[in-house]
Amino acid sequence: QKEVEQNSGPLSVPEGAIASLNCTYSDRGSQSFFWYRQYSGKSPELIMFIYSNGDKEDGRFTAQLNKASQYVSLLIRDSQPSDSATYLCAVNAPFSDDKIIFGKGTRLHILP
Amino acid sequence: EAQVTQNPRYLITVTGKKLTVTCSQNMNHEYMSWYRQDPGLGLRQIYYSMNVEVTDKGDVPEGYKVSRKEKRNFPLILESPSPNQTSLYFCASSSLAGGLTDTQYFGPGTRLTVL
Repeated sequence: QKEVEQNSGPLSVPEGAIASLNCTYSDRGSQSFFWYRQYSGKSPELIMFIYSNGDKEDGRFTAQLNKASQYVSLLIRDSQPSDSATYLCAVNAPFSDDKIIFGKGTRLHILP
Repeated sequence: EAQVTQNPRYLITVTGKKLTVTCSQNMNHEYMSWYRQDPGLGLRQIYYSMNVEVTDKGDVPEGYKVSRKEKRNFPLILESPSPNQTSLYFCASSSLAGGLTDTQYFGPGTRLTVL
């Protein structure tokens, strides 16, 4: 069973600081990595995707991928109270119809 | 507006009473999927469909049925609901242009309670 692991949290970060969310995955063949944000009771929405090793920046968000170590992270700079949500890491499973496997999510709480 | 719609949004029913949750997307996506989300268990895939008339089991298919007669619709059917199917359900769709790894768009969710 392919797995995607995340710390469930809650992760508490002061407003204005950098929030760092981590995710590890078990399938070495995975090539596509996604971060979704989910507010309580709402549907997940895509924050970022990354396919290549290294960093990918989009505004206050940076995704980091290290395939050798099988981890992907999401950094949120200048954290805002509106960033308080659950963040889901998702990874493709190339030998299982390429379906997407979701982690259980990390709850992030930005302290005003 | 590009969107995935689900109906109903909230449903309370009793054990054994057949129900259908509808899902429709207007983005001409080939791929559609149903997930359930439970506290501490995350998102778990129930069924998915790569195209019309093509459906496959996900990780937790027991007690559910799906059909894909039209590209835009992917209803989830519970023939005989049981209390352990009380959950928050999400439908999602995705283009297969980039392979199955394209972004998934989620519907607003259906909160189902089975008494």
